[in-house]
Amino acid sequence: DAGITQSPRYKITETGRQVTLMCHQTWSHSYMFWYRQDLGHGLRLIYYSAAADITDKGEVPDGYVVSRSKTENFPLTLESATRSQTSVYFCASKQPNTGELFFGEGSRLTVL
Amino acid sequence: DAKTTQPPSMDCAEGRAANLPCNHSTISGNEYVYWYRQIHSQGPQYIIHGLKNNETNEMASLIITEDRKSSTLILPHATLRDTAVYYCIVRVDIAAGNKLTFGGGTRVLVKP
Repeated sequence: DAGITQSPRYKITETGRQVTLMCHQTWSHSYMFWYRQDLGHGLRLIYYSAAADITDKGEVPDGYVVSRSKTENFPLTLESATRSQTSVYFCASKQPNTGELFFGEGSRLTVL
Repeated sequence: DAKTTQPPSMDCAEGRAANLPCNHSTISGNEYVYWYRQIHSQGPQYIIHGLKNNETNEMASLIITEDRKSSTLILPHATLRDTAVYYCIVRVDIAAGNKLTFGGGTRVLVKP
């Protein structure tokens, strides 16, 4: 099925561990985004990518690393997780003609 | 991108029209107005967007004032499933990728 999928949907880890959140889209959209959403707040942009091998920082990039070796995948890595990174993470891709963003279902990360 | 101001919350009776205001007094001539909503625990969902003309689709209508400094999203017959957080966003260019920044939004509660 066409769409955007995130994995894992739920993850519990410990402080200092490395965690990678995966994002896969089937449309071949050029632009992809990672947002985080903390309880009771709006979405904040972490990183975005304009195309394969092109990435750029958003509002809150510290502590995160991204890569985009293939157009369809945009993984987000927390190299050394901290409790403040406990959040819900949303991946999105952008439809080029309308600008509409399509979001995944989210990955809920808890850092103990 | 221009900043937007939305009321933090509002209630609406089921079956009635819900009118959601958004102020964007610093909007530039080439900035579009986008609306998204986020139903509890899900990824945000695109609703509608416009530049200066009023727009309507199967989900909602968007009314933009002549000076473009404010807009109203209208849900014509609100249902309980319309309970969500609604985000109003303005941004420059549909085709240019870059960032879409989500603020706090309006939490809409549709009551039976």
